[in-house]
Amino acid sequence: AQSVAQPEDQVNVAEGNPLTVKCTYSVSGNPYLFWYVQYPNRGLQFLLKYITGDNLVKGSYGFEAEFNKSQTSFHLKKPSALVSDSALYFCAVREGGGNKLTFGTGTQLKVEL
Amino acid sequence: KAGVTQTPRYLIKTRGQQVTLSCSPISGHRSVSWYQQTPGQGLQFLFEYFSETQRNKGNFPGRFSGRQFSNSRSEMNVSTLELGDSALYLCASSLVPGEVGDTQYFGPGTRLTVL
Repeated sequence: AQSVAQPEDQVNVAEGNPLTVKCTYSVSGNPYLFWYVQYPNRGLQFLLKYITGDNLVKGSYGFEAEFNKSQTSFHLKKPSALVSDSALYFCAVREGGGNKLTFGTGTQLKVEL
Repeated sequence: KAGVTQTPRYLIKTRGQQVTLSCSPISGHRSVSWYQQTPGQGLQFLFEYFSETQRNKGNFPGRFSGRQFSNSRSEMNVSTLELGDSALYLCASSLVPGEVGDTQYFGPGTRLTVL
Protein backbone atom coordinates (compact mmCIF):
# COMPACT_ATOMS: atom_id res chain seq x y z
CA ALA A 1 0.00 0.00 0.00
CA GLN A 2 1.15 3.51 -0.73
CA SER A 3 1.95 5.93 2.09
CA VAL A 4 3.32 9.44 2.64
CA ALA A 5 5.10 10.86 5.65
CA GLN A 6 5.52 14.51 6.54
CA PRO A 7 7.78 14.40 9.57
CA GLU A 8 7.27 18.01 10.67
CA ASP A 9 3.93 19.24 11.98
CA GLN A 10 5.12 22.83 11.78
CA VAL A 11 7.93 24.71 10.08
CA ASN A 12 8.82 28.26 11.07
CA VAL A 13 10.92 30.47 8.82
CA ALA A 14 11.71 34.17 8.59
CA GLU A 15 10.51 36.11 5.57
CA GLY A 16 13.16 36.22 2.89
CA ASN A 17 14.83 33.02 4.05
CA PRO A 18 14.67 29.77 2.09
CA LEU A 19 12.11 27.22 3.19
CA THR A 20 11.91 23.44 2.96
CA VAL A 21 8.92 21.24 3.76
CA LYS A 22 9.83 17.56 3.91
CA CYS A 23 8.01 14.59 2.43
CA THR A 24 8.91 10.92 2.06
CA TYR A 25 6.83 8.30 0.31
CA SER A 26 6.40 4.58 -0.09
CA VAL A 27 4.93 2.94 -3.19
CA SER A 28 5.40 -0.38 -4.90
CA GLY A 29 5.39 1.00 -8.44
CA ASN A 30 6.23 4.32 -10.08
CA PRO A 31 5.34 7.24 -7.84
CA TYR A 32 3.31 10.18 -9.02
CA LEU A 33 3.87 12.88 -6.42
CA PHE A 34 1.99 16.08 -5.70
CA TRP A 35 2.10 19.09 -3.42
CA TYR A 36 -1.03 20.98 -2.43
CA VAL A 37 -1.52 24.01 -0.20
CA GLN A 38 -4.54 24.78 1.95
CA TYR A 39 -5.43 28.20 3.31
CA PRO A 40 -7.88 28.52 6.23
CA ASN A 41 -11.44 27.54 5.33
CA ARG A 42 -10.45 26.75 1.76
CA GLY A 43 -9.98 23.68 -0.38
CA LEU A 44 -6.66 22.35 -1.60
CA GLN A 45 -4.75 24.31 -4.19
CA PHE A 46 -2.41 22.44 -6.56
CA LEU A 47 1.22 23.58 -6.45
CA LEU A 48 3.25 21.09 -8.49
CA LYS A 49 3.71 17.47 -9.43
CA TYR A 50 6.39 14.96 -10.32
CA ILE A 51 5.51 12.39 -12.93
CA THR A 52 8.78 11.56 -14.65
CA GLY A 53 11.84 13.29 -16.02
CA ASP A 54 13.79 16.05 -14.28
CA ASN A 55 14.19 15.57 -10.57
CA LEU A 56 13.69 19.29 -9.92
CA VAL A 57 10.10 20.30 -10.55
CA LYS A 58 9.00 23.92 -10.70
CA GLY A 59 5.49 24.95 -9.73
CA SER A 60 3.28 27.87 -8.84
CA TYR A 61 4.22 30.93 -6.77
CA GLY A 62 7.96 30.24 -6.91
CA PHE A 63 7.76 26.82 -5.30
CA GLU A 64 9.83 23.89 -6.49
CA ALA A 65 10.33 20.32 -5.33
CA GLU A 66 13.19 17.90 -5.57
CA PHE A 67 12.49 14.24 -6.29
CA ASN A 68 15.06 11.81 -4.88
CA LYS A 69 14.37 8.22 -5.79
CA SER A 70 17.08 6.67 -3.61
CA GLN A 71 15.84 8.51 -0.53
CA THR A 72 12.17 8.20 -1.58
CA SER A 73 11.74 11.89 -0.85
CA PHE A 74 9.96 14.79 -2.50
CA HIS A 75 10.80 17.91 -0.50
CA LEU A 76 9.09 21.23 -1.25
CA LYS A 77 11.34 24.28 -1.44
CA LYS A 78 11.24 27.99 -2.04
CA PRO A 79 14.32 30.24 -2.21
CA SER A 80 12.74 33.21 -0.44
CA ALA A 81 9.69 32.81 1.81
CA LEU A 82 6.85 35.32 2.01
CA VAL A 83 4.46 35.92 4.90
CA SER A 84 1.65 35.08 2.48
CA ASP A 85 3.12 31.55 2.09
CA SER A 86 1.90 30.76 5.60
CA ALA A 87 -0.54 27.88 5.16
CA LEU A 88 -0.97 24.12 5.51
CA TYR A 89 0.98 22.07 2.98
CA PHE A 90 0.16 18.52 1.94
CA CYS A 91 2.26 16.02 0.06
CA ALA A 92 0.38 13.28 -1.80
CA VAL A 93 1.17 10.20 -3.85
CA ARG A 94 -0.82 8.47 -6.56
CA GLU A 95 0.21 5.01 -7.61
CA GLY A 96 -0.64 4.18 -11.22
CA GLY A 97 -4.21 3.08 -11.94
CA GLY A 98 -6.97 5.37 -10.84
CA ASN A 99 -7.12 8.67 -9.09
CA LYS A 100 -6.79 7.76 -5.43
CA LEU A 101 -4.45 10.19 -3.69
CA THR A 102 -2.84 9.23 -0.40
CA PHE A 103 -1.97 12.32 1.61
CA GLY A 104 0.54 13.05 4.32
CA THR A 105 -0.61 14.54 7.60
CA GLY A 106 0.25 18.06 6.51
CA THR A 107 2.86 20.60 7.59
CA GLN A 108 1.86 24.00 8.91
CA LEU A 109 4.22 26.61 7.48
CA LYS A 110 4.56 29.86 9.41
CA VAL A 111 6.54 32.67 7.83
CA GLU A 112 7.32 35.52 10.20
CA LEU A 113 8.53 39.05 9.57
CA LYS B 1 -12.40 28.40 -16.68
CA ALA B 2 -14.47 28.17 -13.57
CA GLY B 3 -13.06 25.92 -10.89
CA VAL B 4 -14.66 23.05 -9.06
CA THR B 5 -17.81 24.16 -7.29
CA GLN B 6 -19.38 22.51 -4.28
CA THR B 7 -22.75 23.14 -2.73
CA PRO B 8 -23.69 23.83 -0.09
CA ARG B 9 -20.62 25.31 1.55
CA TYR B 10 -21.89 24.73 5.08
CA LEU B 11 -24.38 22.27 6.53
CA ILE B 12 -25.61 21.55 10.02
CA LYS B 13 -27.46 18.30 10.61
CA THR B 14 -28.43 16.18 13.58
CA ARG B 15 -27.55 12.56 14.27
CA GLY B 16 -29.61 10.08 12.31
CA GLN B 17 -30.39 12.44 9.45
CA GLN B 18 -29.05 12.06 5.95
CA VAL B 19 -27.29 14.58 3.76
CA THR B 20 -26.49 15.06 0.08
CA LEU B 21 -23.52 17.07 -1.14
CA SER B 22 -23.06 18.25 -4.70
CA CYS B 23 -19.99 18.80 -6.84
CA SER B 24 -19.64 20.33 -10.31
CA PRO B 25 -16.27 19.60 -11.93
CA ILE B 26 -14.19 21.90 -14.08
CA SER B 27 -15.64 22.08 -17.58
CA GLY B 28 -14.30 19.19 -19.65
CA HIS B 29 -13.22 17.14 -16.65
CA ARG B 30 -14.82 13.74 -16.53
CA SER B 31 -13.49 12.32 -13.29
CA VAL B 32 -14.66 13.28 -9.82
CA SER B 33 -13.19 12.08 -6.54
CA TRP B 34 -14.34 12.75 -2.99
CA TYR B 35 -12.23 13.12 0.15
CA GLN B 36 -13.03 13.59 3.81
CA GLN B 37 -10.83 15.86 5.93
CA THR B 38 -10.92 15.71 9.73
CA PRO B 39 -8.43 16.90 12.36
CA GLY B 40 -7.99 13.35 13.65
CA GLN B 41 -7.80 11.30 10.45
CA GLY B 42 -6.52 13.90 8.02
CA LEU B 43 -7.41 13.61 4.34
CA GLN B 44 -8.99 10.30 3.39
CA PHE B 45 -10.17 9.08 0.00
CA LEU B 46 -13.87 8.27 -0.20
CA PHE B 47 -14.54 7.30 -3.81
CA GLU B 48 -13.86 8.09 -7.43
CA TYR B 49 -16.23 8.31 -10.39
CA PHE B 50 -15.60 8.33 -14.12
CA SER B 51 -18.20 8.04 -16.86
CA GLU B 52 -20.94 7.54 -14.26
CA THR B 53 -19.15 4.50 -12.82
CA GLN B 54 -17.52 4.15 -9.44
CA ARG B 55 -13.95 3.12 -10.14
CA ASN B 56 -12.51 3.04 -6.68
CA LYS B 57 -13.75 3.20 -3.11
CA GLY B 58 -12.01 4.01 0.14
CA ASN B 59 -12.44 2.33 3.48
CA PHE B 60 -15.70 3.90 4.59
CA PRO B 61 -18.95 2.25 5.71
CA GLY B 62 -21.85 1.72 3.33
CA ARG B 63 -23.59 4.79 4.77
CA PHE B 64 -21.36 6.77 2.42
CA SER B 65 -22.43 6.56 -1.19
CA GLY B 66 -22.15 8.59 -4.34
CA ARG B 67 -23.06 8.84 -7.94
CA GLN B 68 -22.09 10.68 -11.08
CA PHE B 69 -24.39 12.05 -13.73
CA SER B 70 -23.96 12.13 -17.50
CA ASN B 71 -22.76 15.77 -17.33
CA SER B 72 -20.00 14.62 -14.90
CA ARG B 73 -21.57 16.37 -11.92
CA SER B 74 -21.43 14.23 -8.80
CA GLU B 75 -23.28 13.87 -5.55
CA MET B 76 -22.36 12.08 -2.38
CA ASN B 77 -24.81 10.96 0.26
CA VAL B 78 -24.30 10.12 3.89
CA SER B 79 -27.16 8.35 5.63
CA THR B 80 -27.80 7.91 9.35
CA LEU B 81 -25.35 10.63 10.27
CA GLU B 82 -23.03 10.15 13.23
CA LEU B 83 -21.12 12.77 15.21
CA GLY B 84 -17.89 11.45 13.70
CA ASP B 85 -19.09 12.37 10.21
CA SER B 86 -18.47 16.03 10.99
CA ALA B 87 -15.79 17.01 8.53
CA LEU B 88 -14.81 19.03 5.51
CA TYR B 89 -15.83 17.09 2.41
CA LEU B 90 -13.69 17.89 -0.60
CA CYS B 91 -14.43 17.15 -4.21
CA ALA B 92 -11.71 17.00 -6.85
CA SER B 93 -11.98 16.78 -10.61
CA SER B 94 -9.55 15.72 -13.31
CA LEU B 95 -9.55 15.05 -17.03
CA VAL B 96 -9.00 11.30 -17.25
CA PRO B 97 -8.13 9.30 -14.16
CA GLY B 98 -5.04 7.17 -14.18
CA GLU B 99 -3.36 8.93 -17.08
CA VAL B 100 0.24 9.68 -16.21
CA GLY B 101 -0.03 13.45 -16.09
CA ASP B 102 -3.56 13.67 -14.73
CA THR B 103 -3.95 16.22 -11.92
CA GLN B 104 -6.81 16.61 -9.49
CA TYR B 105 -8.12 20.09 -8.76
CA PHE B 106 -10.09 20.61 -5.60
CA GLY B 107 -13.19 22.57 -4.78
CA PRO B 108 -13.61 24.73 -1.65
CA GLY B 109 -15.32 21.92 0.24
CA THR B 110 -18.54 21.48 2.18
CA ARG B 111 -18.24 21.85 5.93
CA LEU B 112 -20.63 19.37 7.54
CA THR B 113 -21.39 19.65 11.24
CA VAL B 114 -23.39 16.88 12.91
CA LEU B 115 -25.00 17.75 16.24
